[in-house]
Amino acid sequence: GAGVSQSPRYKVTKRGQDVALRCDPISGHVSLYWYRQALGQGPEFLTYFNYEAQQDKSGLPNDRFSAERPEGSISTLTIQRTEQRDSAMYRCASSQGQGDGYTFGSGTRLTVV
Amino acid sequence: QKEVEQNSGPLSVPEGAIASLNCTYSDRGSQSFFWYRQYSGKSPELIMFIYSNGDKEDGRFTAQLNKASQYVSLLIRDSQPSDSATYLCAAAGRSGGYQKVTFGIGTKLQVIP
Repeated sequence: GAGVSQSPRYKVTKRGQDVALRCDPISGHVSLYWYRQALGQGPEFLTYFNYEAQQDKSGLPNDRFSAERPEGSISTLTIQRTEQRDSAMYRCASSQGQGDGYTFGSGTRLTVV
Repeated sequence: QKEVEQNSGPLSVPEGAIASLNCTYSDRGSQSFFWYRQYSGKSPELIMFIYSNGDKEDGRFTAQLNKASQYVSLLIRDSQPSDSATYLCAAAGRSGGYQKVTFGIGTKLQVIP
């Protein structure tokens, strides 16, 4: 696609529910990243994929968070048993190669009530 | 902990003046540096990147890098009200076999008409 597409744009969920956030990167972009951004803060790294391989998941806060990119294109970030502290903007970004500048998607605003 | 430090601002400059945004980084191994602009409620957008010591100019924007001082800056000449945004500094350093990008908190710039 022309840009990085994320869905849904907004997600309100009840505490304890599971949510899945989707990212469709720019076609041909090898590198895909998930970040979380709190209001007034910079993006905080969550995880990185090189093609379908999850090369770095050191930023995932705990084992309720997981991500996959099975065919090296679309990625899903899953949060199980959501908690109120998980409420944030979740941003996906892609780049042609590692070390290149990113193109960010519009983000998914997650609210856990 | 590899960090990128920025003053959160706000930095206020009159229209037509030069805005100077500064950033320091802790990882001496960082190789690439990026400036992103983020309008309120929007996603970060890449505006400049720099790899080598010295200056890099692109239109009204000049990025400056001093690796010895671990210092990156962004100059915006002839500032316009439309430049009002948060500017995120980011550094890419080698981590776990890839170029991991760390973002600063961002500096909020206000250009006063």
